[in-house]
Amino acid sequence: GAVVSQHPSWVICKSGTSVKIECRSLDFQATTMFWYRQFPKQSLMLMATSNEGSKATYEQGVEKDKFLINHASLTLSTLTVTSAHPEDSSFYICSARETAEVGTEAFFGQGTRLTVV
Amino acid sequence: AQRVTQPEKLLSVFKGAPVELKCNYSYSGSPELFWYVQYSRQRLQLLLRHISRESIKGFTADLNKGETSFHLKKPFAQEEDSAMYYCALIQGAQKLVFGQGTRLTINP
Repeated sequence: GAVVSQHPSWVICKSGTSVKIECRSLDFQATTMFWYRQFPKQSLMLMATSNEGSKATYEQGVEKDKFLINHASLTLSTLTVTSAHPEDSSFYICSARETAEVGTEAFFGQGTRLTVV
Repeated sequence: AQRVTQPEKLLSVFKGAPVELKCNYSYSGSPELFWYVQYSRQRLQLLLRHISRESIKGFTADLNKGETSFHLKKPFAQEEDSAMYYCALIQGAQKLVFGQGTRLTINP
């Protein structure tokens, strides 16, 4: 299957700083990318959906100024956690879909574990 | 709003026994439904999609619009089936949302 790569796999940052997480589709062009947050022993919570070249659509309750998403190219989307605080510590996962056609598989990155100290 | 419900957080069966992981959804349009699996220390990967009506690793899932269900079944469980299973739904706006997940444990 296609490969989606996230970088970094884990990051520790100080409270108040910003952290950028990259999501790349390595062997296909992704028209749509999804960003999720996963708490321990819980499911994936959709944060936002982004389409290349347009603004991301955020889910209710997700602060768009806090979690900046950029989908500048068909192979790269970034999530920037601004002014991070300990409660932002979580596992962040991206997913990419090549087309919007029915049945198109979404491929997942390996996830990024963010720890804010 | 669309919703995916997996009522069982944990499911434990013996090797060779039948397995059924339940998934119910609520969505006003025509849903696209998927089952994803996450093995230990691996990333999430697609197991099967309703549009394909396929059997993967012995698993099948039938979309029942009357009951709004998409249960995952396997007649004879194997130890390597132990994993976390997520039912997922895509709606027209391309939002891919997940159920709470069911941790399946196959006992020897």
